[in-house]
Amino acid sequence: DGGITQSPKYLFRKEGQNVTLSCEQNLNHDAMYWYRQDPGQGLRLIYYSQIVNDFQKGDIAEGYSVSREKKESFPLTVTSAQKNPTAFYLCATYDLSGGPDTQYFGPGTRLTVL
Amino acid sequence: GENVEQHPSTLSVQEGDSAVIKCTYSDSASNYFPWYKQELGKGPQLIIDIRSNVGEKKDQRIAVTLNKTAKHFSLHITETQPEDSAVYFCAGGDFGNEKLTFGTGTRLTIIP
Repeated sequence: DGGITQSPKYLFRKEGQNVTLSCEQNLNHDAMYWYRQDPGQGLRLIYYSQIVNDFQKGDIAEGYSVSREKKESFPLTVTSAQKNPTAFYLCATYDLSGGPDTQYFGPGTRLTVL
Repeated sequence: GENVEQHPSTLSVQEGDSAVIKCTYSDSASNYFPWYKQELGKGPQLIIDIRSNVGEKKDQRIAVTLNKTAKHFSLHITETQPEDSAVYFCAGGDFGNEKLTFGTGTRLTIIP
């Protein structure tokens, strides 16, 4: 998992509440990502950011929002508009400055909406 | 956009035997293909990757082969051990482009 921290590891929320998942990295990587993982569906990209104060929608951005105010942090908010938010959420980083051509993943947050 | 398909979804192998997982991709512009291993409750970890200018890459018991013409690539694990039990994901992307498209995963179980 390297220098990527996701907190909390488990999160429970009532239906209709917004919830924010934390992702912090000390790898000095420019790019950060949020993926959602559901059983049998692999990893699906929610949002990604290549630079501070800029981010792009991924394949399943509806019902989610992000911010990138600092290079080290890329929090994800799961809003009440997300129809099926229960899932395992993974944060990843990528080194745009010429490092290894791969994404590094955090340990994940399992969100359960009751 | 890219579409990556992965097979099989589950695979059981006797300890010591070999395991093979296959992926196909759709976008001919993709030129970077990593494989990740995910243990229960953890994030995926890179185990091996290959670029399209190479046909095969090996790292101890793990190897990846790439057929650009057929647009498929495979993960080979030899002399399997119980600790190889995990979910394996393939992915495809454009080298230098930070976006990856992932397969749906293969749950590998090594039978002692």
